[in-house]
Amino acid sequence: DTGVSQDPRHKITKRGQNVTFRCDPISEHNRLYWYRQTLGQGPEFLTYFQNEAQLEKSRLLSDRFSAERPKGSFSTLEIQRTEQGDSAMYLCASSFGLGAEHGYTFGSGTRLTVV
Amino acid sequence: DQQVKQNSPSLSVQEGRISILNCDYTNSMFDYFLWYKKYPAEGPTFLISISSIKDKNEDGRFTVFLNKSAKHLSLHIVPSQPGDSAVYFCAARRSPGNQFYFGTGTSLTVIP
Repeated sequence: DTGVSQDPRHKITKRGQNVTFRCDPISEHNRLYWYRQTLGQGPEFLTYFQNEAQLEKSRLLSDRFSAERPKGSFSTLEIQRTEQGDSAMYLCASSFGLGAEHGYTFGSGTRLTVV
Repeated sequence: DQQVKQNSPSLSVQEGRISILNCDYTNSMFDYFLWYKKYPAEGPTFLISISSIKDKNEDGRFTVFLNKSAKHLSLHIVPSQPGDSAVYFCAARRSPGNQFYFGTGTSLTVIP
């Protein structure tokens, strides 16, 4: 197993365009998380899935953001009508169980730059 | 509002000495606390956790202490090694739910 994979690693887009990121979790992990990290800050929770069900969403996840995890495997995070404030590192993580005692396994992230 | 705070942006320690990283929190509903380490261009890596019902947890060179009355936790690394140089994040989970709140990180440099 190669860990949590995120694609692409970097994305530069013009303001107003839509972007989609993909995350492939560790295969036996049933929980998948999306976090966002801006410069000088820690990761901020966006949303989390247990299998294919989206169980929690942060108020940071505005109407322009949507996440899916079809069939409980890979996940996609789409941002519509991107704004400069969306520029950040988007981190995906997965865990078997709640991730409280043993933490999550994070991917290396997708860095989004909106110009 | 920042519910998990790491007030020291950076820390330098000599190799072989103890590194102590601190974290404060405001929400008494947090039930689990974790420490992650992050190298540049990589995602955070889980280090160690502690439940709110405990006051200490050890794993090799890493020990986490929790003081609930002070809403404070700390990570001790003994002895510190140059490979420990990284950014360390403290994170806390609020019960119920599975959302973790992260601090802003402390950059540790271990000087050979």
